[in-house]
Amino acid sequence: DVKVTQSSRYLVKRTGEKVFLECVQDMDHENMFWYRQDPGLGLRLIYFSYDVKMKEKGDIPEGYSVSREKKERFSLILESASTNQTSMYLCASSLRSGRFEQYFGPGTRLTVT
Amino acid sequence: GENVEQHPSTLSVQEGDSAVIKCTYSDSASNYFPWYKQELGKRPQLIIDIRSNVGEKKDQRIAVTLNKTAKHFSLHITETQPEDSAVYFCAASSSGANNLFFGTGTRLTVIP
Repeated sequence: DVKVTQSSRYLVKRTGEKVFLECVQDMDHENMFWYRQDPGLGLRLIYFSYDVKMKEKGDIPEGYSVSREKKERFSLILESASTNQTSMYLCASSLRSGRFEQYFGPGTRLTVT
Repeated sequence: GENVEQHPSTLSVQEGDSAVIKCTYSDSASNYFPWYKQELGKRPQLIIDIRSNVGEKKDQRIAVTLNKTAKHFSLHITETQPEDSAVYFCAASSSGANNLFFGTGTRLTVIP
């Protein structure tokens, strides 16, 4: 059974704090993704990675950075959290070739106060 | 880059009726079109996908149609049931690309 896990389901942080969101997959997938989900805006891609130490900007990378030191782990970093980063964050992974199906984690609901 | 538009944003149907959700895309190089379903409080999951070498694909009560000339594709759900209530996302991608471009979602409510 495929599995994508995220470090927290709920997180509350203060403005200006550094925030780490972690995602781990056990499917040996090359690709990993970070999205944020807001009502009416769908799934917006923040960053993705197609290999260890590789990263590509998505549609809304401003205010975020990522790290991928190991194939199974992809971290999203908010350098200085702001209230407009309050959102649901979803991680996903997929194979690089063949089936493009993305497997999603359960999500982290981040609130920045 | 690719731009995917999805309509309607909300849809209510009576149980047993059909539901249709439509998406358009902008990049003629896109050739893979999946649909994801997200139930309340759960993660999105792939329910059906289609590649550009076919015009229609069916899986029990769900079907997807693709019109490459017009650059639009649709999800059809027949004989809807309350458990079909969810948010549905369409997406598009081109082979060789690693990422999907998602639509903004349709909240489907099936009224018993």
